[in-house]
Amino acid sequence: GAGVSQSPRYKVAKRGQDVALRCDPISGHVSLFWYQQALGQGPEFLTYFQNEAQLDKSGLPSDRFFAERPEGSVSTLKIQRTQQEDSAVYLCASSLADEQYFGPGTRLTVT
Amino acid sequence: GESVGLHLPTLSVQEGDNSIINCAYSNSASDYFIWYKQESGKGPQFIIDIRSNMDKRQGQRVTVLLNKTVKHLSLQIAATQPGDSAVYFCAENMGAGTDKLIFGTGTRLQVFP
Repeated sequence: GAGVSQSPRYKVAKRGQDVALRCDPISGHVSLFWYQQALGQGPEFLTYFQNEAQLDKSGLPSDRFFAERPEGSVSTLKIQRTQQEDSAVYLCASSLADEQYFGPGTRLTVT
Repeated sequence: GESVGLHLPTLSVQEGDNSIINCAYSNSASDYFIWYKQESGKGPQFIIDIRSNMDKRQGQRVTVLLNKTVKHLSLQIAATQPGDSAVYFCAENMGAGTDKLIFGTGTRLQVFP
């Protein structure tokens, strides 16, 4: 069956540009998570949704990062005024119970 | 702060041998642990999980062991194959109103013929 999909798979942005990363979770999955993975590191939690409600955004590194899931399905992670330190792979995961299913990620490179 | 970590950054094994990947965790209140496999350019893939009320769980060619006394988690892969080459992460589910995962830095498993 269809898994979690993310788009774009690769994004190059110039410093200062805004970017929007999309996540399509597995149909029917209530929970959705965003993680940031720096090169050679494990994923780090950014934010968590249960349906359309953002229940935890404690991992967002600054107010330049914003996530939404308005209809409880597709989610968008937006980064404003990108900086070089934002370069990473952004992973989305969805779950119905305990197990989280990850998408392939979006590799963001800020030049 | 509390985190999940790994002892060995790289593990090289011969095809057919058994592999053991270790992980230490520090949050004694955690009750759910997961092992993920990540291949280059892909997202983490679930391998096996275990709850704190268990000390061992087996899957197909994989076994996870949990030692709560010393806060240690291990993943055993039997008859390691070239397709097992990847980075392996242990992750801790913090629970308590959020199901966010805390990942370790990962161990790279290299399988040579």
